[in-house]
Formats: sequence, C-alpha cells, structure tokens
Amino acid sequence: QQQVKQSPQSLIVQKGGISIINCAYENTAFDYFPWYQQFPGKGPALLIAIRPDVSEKKEGRFTISFNKSAKQFSLHIMDSQPGDSATYFCAATAGAGSYQLTFGKGTKLSVIP
Amino acid sequence: NAGVMQNPRHLVRRRGQEARLRCSPMKGHSHVYWYRQLPEEGLKFMVYLQKENIIDESGMPKERFSAEFPKEGPSILRIQQVVRGDSAAYFCASRTGGDNEQFFGPGTRLTVL
Repeated sequence: QQQVKQSPQSLIVQKGGISIINCAYENTAFDYFPWYQQFPGKGPALLIAIRPDVSEKKEGRFTISFNKSAKQFSLHIMDSQPGDSATYFCAATAGAGSYQLTFGKGTKLSVIP
Repeated sequence: NAGVMQNPRHLVRRRGQEARLRCSPMKGHSHVYWYRQLPEEGLKFMVYLQKENIIDESGMPKERFSAEFPKEGPSILRIQQVVRGDSAAYFCASRTGGDNEQFFGPGTRLTVL
C-alpha cells in the first residue's frame, strides 16, 4: 500500500521556468511533510517542510502548497536552474510513534538551458 | 559539526556472505533510522533505534536482517546470507529527540554478485 503518491515521475523544464511536483497522501495522521532533494550518488537533503496548519511556505525559490482537505501538497521551484536538476522526494510522517518517513517514489527533474 | 557518516560507501558481496553497514549519527543525535532505496524507487523505512534499543522494526525483513545501536559506537545494519535482491542503497538518518527533522548520510551502496 503506497501511502504517498508522487507525480510526475520525470519532468523536463526550461531554465527560468517553474517546476511543479505533486504529492497526495492517505494517512490522516500525517502532520509533517518534508521535501528532499537527492543528487546522484548522494543522500537525500532536506529542502523545505510544512505542517498542515499553514497552506503555503516559501523559502527562496522553493514553495510548498498544502491542501489539507484534498490531502495533497506540492513543490514549486521558481526560476528553475540547471543546478536544480536532481531527484525530488516528497515525504510524510505522523506526530506520534516512531516518526518514520514515508516517501513518494520520486521525481527526476531535468532543467535544460 | 560532521554530518551523518556511513561506511563503507560501496560494498560488494557474493551471495551467501554477510554485509555489515555502519552509521555514526550527527553529534547530539540519539535517534537513528535505516532506510533502503531500490533503483528508481523512493526510500523505504526499515528500522528505528535509540541507544541500546530497537524502537520500531516494522519495515525490516523478518529473516537475515538485524540492526543494533550500542551504547558506544556506531549503529550497525547486518544482513546475513545476502541474496541478489538485497542489492540497494542503504541510508541512515538521525535526529534529535525534540525535532522531526531527519538528516541523512551519504548511503552505502551494496552490490551482491
């Protein structure tokens, strides 16, 4: 049972464009939603995270939009750059228990000049 | 302040051998997680440990896999009698007790011949 569904699987965006990655979850106990960026051969690095008490969070060129009623959240990368080319994972965790992260399957982003 | 350290970075084993993967959490972090990443897949939770205790091993295969986090020294993920299906990247993450945020190591890439 996949508890976090991520789309698209791959994304090609022109330099300067907006990259949008979407995730949907099923478990209503989830209350922390981080996005991770992973470069080939490296471990995931936390990019930005949100809790369901806000509908949007912005850090630099990266914005998370959160829709609690639809159980969906998305990552927007403004002014996408070739250096943003990486695999992006959404994740979720519940506020009780082990705080284990449940990951989406990832989106491979390629930003072309 | 060193990040999460994992070694070895690459490990090659023949079928039937044992694999030992080590993880040193960030300084001050007493919570350790192990995740497995298959090619083109997201990370899957395996086990959550605190010092000298396994808290949640619900993602761990029932046989051949074990984990420990002793009072002194790194956390160890041990895979006995490896099979080709164990080939994957294994990531360790750590966090403090008061925060959800998990910091990931660079991973160990296990190849079973």
